[in-house]
Amino acid sequence: QSVLTQPPSASGTPGQRVTISCSGSSSNIETKSVNWYQQLPGTAPKLLIFSNNQRPSEVPDRFSGSKSGTSASLAISGLQSEDEADYYCASWDDGFNGRVLFGGGTKLTVL
Amino acid sequence: QVHLQQSGRGLVKPSETLSLTCVVSGYDIRDGCYWGWIRQSPGKGPEWIGSIYEDGRTYHSPSLKSRISMSVDASKNQFSLNLTSMTAADTGTYYCARHGTLGNLGKFDFWGQGTVVSVS
Repeated sequence: QSVLTQPPSASGTPGQRVTISCSGSSSNIETKSVNWYQQLPGTAPKLLIFSNNQRPSEVPDRFSGSKSGTSASLAISGLQSEDEADYYCASWDDGFNGRVLFGGGTKLTVL
Repeated sequence: QVHLQQSGRGLVKPSETLSLTCVVSGYDIRDGCYWGWIRQSPGKGPEWIGSIYEDGRTYHSPSLKSRISMSVDASKNQFSLNLTSMTAADTGTYYCARHGTLGNLGKFDFWGQGTVVSVS
């Protein structure tokens, strides 16, 4: 079981807005940056959001991130079929002399 | 553009050591980033293995620490991972990646293509 907790699945119809949550603790999300990754089948994870709410230049502004306390969220607006993928949150954790944690992942289905 | 190219054997026998190398192009490995290794078991989320800085400073996953060794060869602009005592539980896809700076070590912005590792 991951220390960063995500819902296993989420879904939406084209054009909708969906959010994916990531719950952690004071040793990770509350005090460290949160990052989000998108993974399509058979490919490496792709950085989607870094430092809580920053987007790499090539990522559409339909993707946004936020953080409050020990939780973070990824929002996808104007949902498109190509957004169907696995999404992971990640953060540094101060436990065990420091480690990177990934969430368990959320499978997004576009209906 | 930063590019990471992985190499190494994908088939390992139980108890043997996995050795992987990641060659970096488009970026000087000495230029202030950490370099990391991540693996992913079939159907599971990514799992961080460890990370190394240009000067040899390392961070390791607590669960794998006793089995990991990492190194940087700045002359070849590459970094490497050895994971000893491999078992079937270590089967999965292994990635190298460029890390964020100390301010955000959960950020991996460039990834290698992945190496499928089977222990059998």
